[in-house]
Amino acid sequence: DVKVTQSSRYLVKRTGEKVFLECVQDMDHENMFWYRQDPGLGLRLIYFSYDVKMKEKGDIPEGYSVSREKKERFSLILESASTNQTSMYLCASSLSGQVGGEKLFFGSGTQLSVL
Amino acid sequence: DQQVKQNSPSLSVQEGRISILNCDYTNSMFDYFLWYKKYPAEGPTFLISISSIKDKNEDGRFTVFLNKSAKHLSLHIVPSQPGDSAVYFCAVFPYNNNDMRFGAGTRLTVKP
Repeated sequence: DVKVTQSSRYLVKRTGEKVFLECVQDMDHENMFWYRQDPGLGLRLIYFSYDVKMKEKGDIPEGYSVSREKKERFSLILESASTNQTSMYLCASSLSGQVGGEKLFFGSGTQLSVL
Repeated sequence: DQQVKQNSPSLSVQEGRISILNCDYTNSMFDYFLWYKKYPAEGPTFLISISSIKDKNEDGRFTVFLNKSAKHLSLHIVPSQPGDSAVYFCAVFPYNNNDMRFGAGTRLTVKP
């Protein structure tokens, strides 16, 4: 079974703090993704990466950056947290290519509250 | 620009009856259409998919229908069970890149 592990289940931070959300997958997947889930808006793509040191902006990259130094690890960074970044953050991974690439495997999520 | 729309935020059905969840998309270039299920405090899990060259895919109690001319996707659950109570997200996936787009979700409640 694919396992996608997010480092924290709940996180509370202050406005202006730098926040790191970590995600590790154990199935040697090429692709990794960060989404945020908000009521009424569903899952919105923040950033994704299709290879080590590669990154692509999703629909809502403003206020976020990412790092992928190793294949299994994809980090989401909030340089200066703001209250509108309070959300559920979901990491996912998938195989590259057409066959199997359509199926994402998600972590359990990190509920971030910015006060 | 919402490429995927789930217009019903919630649906309630009786155990044993059919649940029908709907999804509309705007772009004809999508190649795969998927449904994910999410329980509280867990990440979404893949449920069923269909490629753009098909109009129906069945897996046990779950059937996905694709109407390309109407740009409409639906998920049928028959018979519905209380354990099916969850939030269901439809998603679209284009071949030319690796990013997947999700709808806002529909919360299904199956009453015993």
